[in-house]
Amino acid sequence: GAVVSQHPSRVICKSGTSVKIECRSLDFQATTMFWYRQFPKQSLMLMATSNEGSKATYEQGVEKDKFLINHASLTLSTLTVTSAHPEDSSFYICSASSGTGINQPQHFGDGTRLSIL
Amino acid sequence: AQSVTQLGSHVSVSEGALVLLRCNYSSSVPPYLFWYVQYPNQGLQLLLKYTTGATLVKGINGFEAEFKKSETSFHLTKPSAHMSDAAEYFCAVSDQSNDMRFGAGTRLTVKP
Repeated sequence: GAVVSQHPSRVICKSGTSVKIECRSLDFQATTMFWYRQFPKQSLMLMATSNEGSKATYEQGVEKDKFLINHASLTLSTLTVTSAHPEDSSFYICSASSGTGINQPQHFGDGTRLSIL
Repeated sequence: AQSVTQLGSHVSVSEGALVLLRCNYSSSVPPYLFWYVQYPNQGLQLLLKYTTGATLVKGINGFEAEFKKSETSFHLTKPSAHMSDAAEYFCAVSDQSNDMRFGAGTRLTVKP
């Protein structure tokens, strides 16, 4: 159980394009979803936390107008990288949890490798 | 604020040898501690976690970790390395709100 599907797994696009990444909880209701960014050979950096039906909470230094997060249902959250540029190239990972407490673990998707040419 | 420090960005062991990956944490509240494994181009898989209770935690694939409050450590061990253990390992700390902070990661290489 507790499967999180992330799509697409890889995307390559031209500079200036907007890219949408989907994160779905397949067998549980995800009231909270997390979006992380991982640079090569580095750790995961939390970008934002989203609760279903509410606006996402962004970490300091993350541009909310650049990285649009929508969590419109209990099984789907999307991250849209608007007007992407080469510096946005990275590995983006989502996780989903059925609650906000520590007893509700985060379940991770397999990530999306975004390459901006 | 919470944080973790993983000592050693790269650890190399021979197959069958002991694996020891080090993690020290900083937390102003009782910490919840995790170890995750990441294979290339994949997400994170939970190996084990400590929340409360027994300080020696056993996880999947033969891994275990011990919470030592006096040393603010949560080192990951496995008695005998297998080739399939080669991956990136992340230590993470969280509080009750599930706000998780990750270490920089340790790449484990297993030599035949």
